[in-house]
Amino acid sequence: AQKVTQAQTEISVVEKEDVTLDCVYETRDTTYYLFWYKQPPSGELVFLIRRNSFDEQNEISGRYSWNFQKSTSSFNFTITASQVVDSAVYFCALSLFMNRDDKIIFGKGTRLHILP
Amino acid sequence: DAGVIQSPRHEVTEMGQEVTLRCKPISGHDYLFWYRQTMMRGLELLIYFNNNVPIDDSGMPEDRFSAKMPNASFSTLKIQPSEPRDSAVYFCASRQYLRQGALSGELFFGEGSRLTVL
Repeated sequence: AQKVTQAQTEISVVEKEDVTLDCVYETRDTTYYLFWYKQPPSGELVFLIRRNSFDEQNEISGRYSWNFQKSTSSFNFTITASQVVDSAVYFCALSLFMNRDDKIIFGKGTRLHILP
Repeated sequence: DAGVIQSPRHEVTEMGQEVTLRCKPISGHDYLFWYRQTMMRGLELLIYFNNNVPIDDSGMPEDRFSAKMPNASFSTLKIQPSEPRDSAVYFCASRQYLRQGALSGELFFGEGSRLTVL
């Protein structure tokens, strides 16, 4: 069975601190994709990043960085020098690829509070 | 290009009433998904379509829920009769299949329909 686990339900940090959101996934497939989405207080779901299982290179985008490690089945997300606007719920997701019928499975999310 | 469009944004209804949620996916997207979000269960996949055909409806909670996609630009999620436990935010999302060997596209979400059943 496929599963995404975000063990941290809620995290609070003070502005400018770095914070890492954990994501552990389970799948027997060798071809899959991992995603992170952000849901700010306004409620919409915003795509942040997609990664495929063949590419374990870490990625950095501004203050955001992602660490993908197949050996531990983890795809962690770090925000450097956090800001109040980063306060949101963050979802990690897994997409399998079997023929054309794939679906995206989401973790339960981590609610991040950035305190001023 | 417009994003995924959902209506209504908010719906308040009484138990037993029929509820219809609507979604217009992004033009050209092959897949359409319906998710439900609650505090207890997070984001649950209810059903998804590929080229208007339902592929997996295993997430539909019970027979009171039904979804249709009569054409590539429109889908509905219907609850009949509605119950208080159906109160949630319902998201529609669409996705484009990238050709074999390419990365699968990310989901684009609508703004959600917040349903309250009294």
